[in-house]
Amino acid sequence: GQNIDQPTEMTATEGAIVQINCTYQTSGFNGLFWYQQHAGEAPTFLSYNVLDGLEEKGRFSSFLSRSKGYSYLLLKELQMKDSASYLCAVATAGNKLTFGGGTRVLVKP
Amino acid sequence: GAVVSQHPSRVICKSGTSVKIECRSLDFQATTMFWYRQFPKQSLMLMATSNEGSKATYEQGVEKDKFLINHASLTLSTLTVTSAHPEDSSFYICSARIRDRGFNEQFFGPGTRLTVL
Repeated sequence: GQNIDQPTEMTATEGAIVQINCTYQTSGFNGLFWYQQHAGEAPTFLSYNVLDGLEEKGRFSSFLSRSKGYSYLLLKELQMKDSASYLCAVATAGNKLTFGGGTRVLVKP
Repeated sequence: GAVVSQHPSRVICKSGTSVKIECRSLDFQATTMFWYRQFPKQSLMLMATSNEGSKATYEQGVEKDKFLINHASLTLSTLTVTSAHPEDSSFYICSARIRDRGFNEQFFGPGTRLTVL
């Protein structure tokens, strides 16, 4: 079966850094995605990792270690608008995405 | 580019009726479309994978006779919730994968909130 774990909630202060961890055990691996989702809206793409290492994109970075089944999303210089749910998803056979439970991040002033 | 639309965005219906949700890729051809449902404060659960011109593949536990999926063209897939009941109330989201692109990225529609009374 597929198992993707991430913390349920995190709270951070505006301007700070937050790291959201994701561990996975899946049958097959074709890459790992991070999505941002505001309440009542569709997920929007943040990052994609298929090889080990760090991918940086502005304030957001994502890291992958395939041998450890581990990824993290790093959000720097937090802004109030970053308050949202962050979804870790693993692409498996058949181009399917299996999502973790999502991490709700609350940014406080 | 890569815009996916869904219609309607919200629907309220009586128990026992059927509801059709449309998912369209507006500026690209989608080989494959996916249908998800999301309950409040939970993550997305894949319901089925829809390939143009063939039958949908349903995930374990999803009733194919209750959730009818039709993928008649490379830009349109529909999900029909038949004989809807209050427990079917949920946020339904579709996504599409660009034809001939090896990258696995899926583009998500804005979602449809279904409320069954």
